[in-house]
Amino acid sequence: QVQLVESGGGVVQPGGSLRLSCAASGFTFSTSGMHWVRQRPGKGLEWVAFVRPDGGTEYYADSVKGRFSIFRDNSENTLYVHMNSLRPEDTAVYYCAREFGGMAIGYWGQGTQVTVSS
Amino acid sequence: QSALTQPASVSGSPGQSITISCTGTSSDVGTYYYVSWYQQHPGKAPKLMIFDVTRRPSGVSSRFSGSKSGTTASLTISGLQAEDEADYYCSSYRSGSSSVLFAGGTKLTVL
Repeated sequence: QVQLVESGGGVVQPGGSLRLSCAASGFTFSTSGMHWVRQRPGKGLEWVAFVRPDGGTEYYADSVKGRFSIFRDNSENTLYVHMNSLRPEDTAVYYCAREFGGMAIGYWGQGTQVTVSS
Repeated sequence: QSALTQPASVSGSPGQSITISCTGTSSDVGTYYYVSWYQQHPGKAPKLMIFDVTRRPSGVSSRFSGSKSGTTASLTISGLQAEDEADYYCSSYRSGSSSVLFAGGTKLTVL
């Protein structure tokens, strides 16, 4: 079955950087578009970024554009997001997710916590 | 990116039906059939319940249905059950920015 396992979360100071990873299994990773979605404490879902199967095209939410970079290694079945210039408002659980069809998100990891605090 | 709009809360008794609305614009819900609905129980990852406005993934109960009229999409849950109590989020593709939007979520309480 589809498995998505995030890692790399933790506590980082404002202005710092962090890279999250997502190990994928149970499906053909190289033909699946992948998303990052976050959820701030006690708040709703916020889409962060999407990368097409071949890694050639990425899309970002305005709130992270220019600071976050989504990329993938299809040979390792792994999705990444590199986060720079982190702000307290980036504190959230970050979910790795696989597209389902259209722009639906059909499969989700369990999330990894990122805390931006001094 | 402006968020889509959902009611903050809805409630219903077991066996009843409820409908959650999701209002967008002509740049998202009003034009595209890429509206999805997600269920999230506390402390859990979201689960896809409806995609492409009306379609149910395999394994999702037929008690869940989706529709759209103009710039407003709706999720209807019939025959409410206790386990339906959760947060529900709609999302839509938005052109121009090629982004995915989520609404703020609706807390469903089963009385």
